[in-house]
Amino acid sequence: KAGVTQTPRYLIKTRGQQVTLSCSPISGHRSVSWYQQTPGQGLQFLFEYFSETQRNKGNFPGRFSGRQFSNSRSEMNVSTLELGDSALYLCASSTGLNTEAFFGQGTRLTVV
Amino acid sequence: AQTVTQSQPEMSVQEAETVTLSCTYDTSESDYYLFWYKQPPSRQMILVIRQEAYKQQNATENRFSVNFQKAAKSFSLKISDSQLGDAAMYFCAYRSRGNYQLIWGAGTKLIIKP
Repeated sequence: KAGVTQTPRYLIKTRGQQVTLSCSPISGHRSVSWYQQTPGQGLQFLFEYFSETQRNKGNFPGRFSGRQFSNSRSEMNVSTLELGDSALYLCASSTGLNTEAFFGQGTRLTVV
Repeated sequence: AQTVTQSQPEMSVQEAETVTLSCTYDTSESDYYLFWYKQPPSRQMILVIRQEAYKQQNATENRFSVNFQKAAKSFSLKISDSQLGDAAMYFCAYRSRGNYQLIWGAGTKLIIKP
């Protein structure tokens, strides 16, 4: 069974640009969550989607958005990139509330 | 708001020995989950062990076990017979029942000395 797949693995973008990251969950998993990991702030929750609906959102500016498709694949978008958006973005999928989350290998975004 | 605290930025242990990583949390809820995740240099977050708050029995997974003290809001991880492959960042995380959001500690870097 394939794990959680995140693409691309690495990205370098210029300040002011926008970026889209993709996450394909484990087959059958309907919940997808996104986290930002930085050396300074640690791991922070961005948002969670279930059956194409955003159910929960972390404390991030509106430049961070996401969506989920009918096949449970999810994308997150960051517009008007800032240097501080440089981070490892992790995606996790799960089947339900009583199960653990499985993580992908992350996308390393560098903003220059 | 819930918080998770890991007070040990780094720990080291001799191969084959036992090490304990500390985690405390703060919550007003009574029903929740606690997790230990491992993040090796490959960056992929791997679940080590999970504990359900309503279960008094401490969770164990092979060489990994926890000491869950609900009243003290403490959740430590014990690794027995440490192996070189255990070297990684270890994160303690909290999740309310009914919510997918994980709240994370700052992590502990575990170094295994051969």
